[in-house]
Amino acid sequence: DAGVTQSPTHLIKTRGQHVTLRCSPISGHKSVSWYQQVLGQGPQFIFQYYEKEERGRGNFPDRFSARQFPNYSSELNVNALLLGDSALYLCASSLAGTENSPLHFGNGTRLTVT
Amino acid sequence: GEDVEQSLFLSVREGDSSVINCTYTDSSSTYLYWYKQEPGAGLQLLTYIFSNMDMKQDQRLTVLLNKKDKHLSLRIADTQTGDSAIYFCAESIDDYKLSFGAGTTVTVRA
Repeated sequence: DAGVTQSPTHLIKTRGQHVTLRCSPISGHKSVSWYQQVLGQGPQFIFQYYEKEERGRGNFPDRFSARQFPNYSSELNVNALLLGDSALYLCASSLAGTENSPLHFGNGTRLTVT
Repeated sequence: GEDVEQSLFLSVREGDSSVINCTYTDSSSTYLYWYKQEPGAGLQLLTYIFSNMDMKQDQRLTVLLNKKDKHLSLRIADTQTGDSAIYFCAESIDDYKLSFGAGTTVTVRA
């Protein structure tokens, strides 16, 4: 069975541009979460979606948005990119989106903003 | 509060046991997790423990939980070179998100 898949794997953008990152969950998983991992730090929670509804949002500006589609895949959008947005963006899926439903992570999208 | 702390580095000889320690602050966390990250990769779920348990063993991995002290540890028996990676401790927050530590870099030397 395929794990969580993310695309693209690497991306280089310029300050002020917009970016869309994509994620396909493990088959049967209905919840998708997004995390940002800056070099040398642990992942920070951005969003969680369950059954296409936003269940939670981390401490990120409104430039960050996301959505979940009927097939449970998800997109993370970031507008007006800043240099500080350079990071590894990790998508995770889980069966139910609750704490007793462990998160399974993809390999991430490495975003570099110049 | 959401604050998970781990020691940053651990060096261990191949064949020895590794012990990675973690402290967390949210006493309402119901589940605690250990993830492994190899260079250039995402996070691999190693194991997790429910907060009403003291210990969980899974092959070479043993998790110990001291809920009173909010202390979690991961022991890797017979450490191998393939165990070299960054290990993250995480606590569940508000039922739907994880708060991670900064990670412990484990280096296995021959």
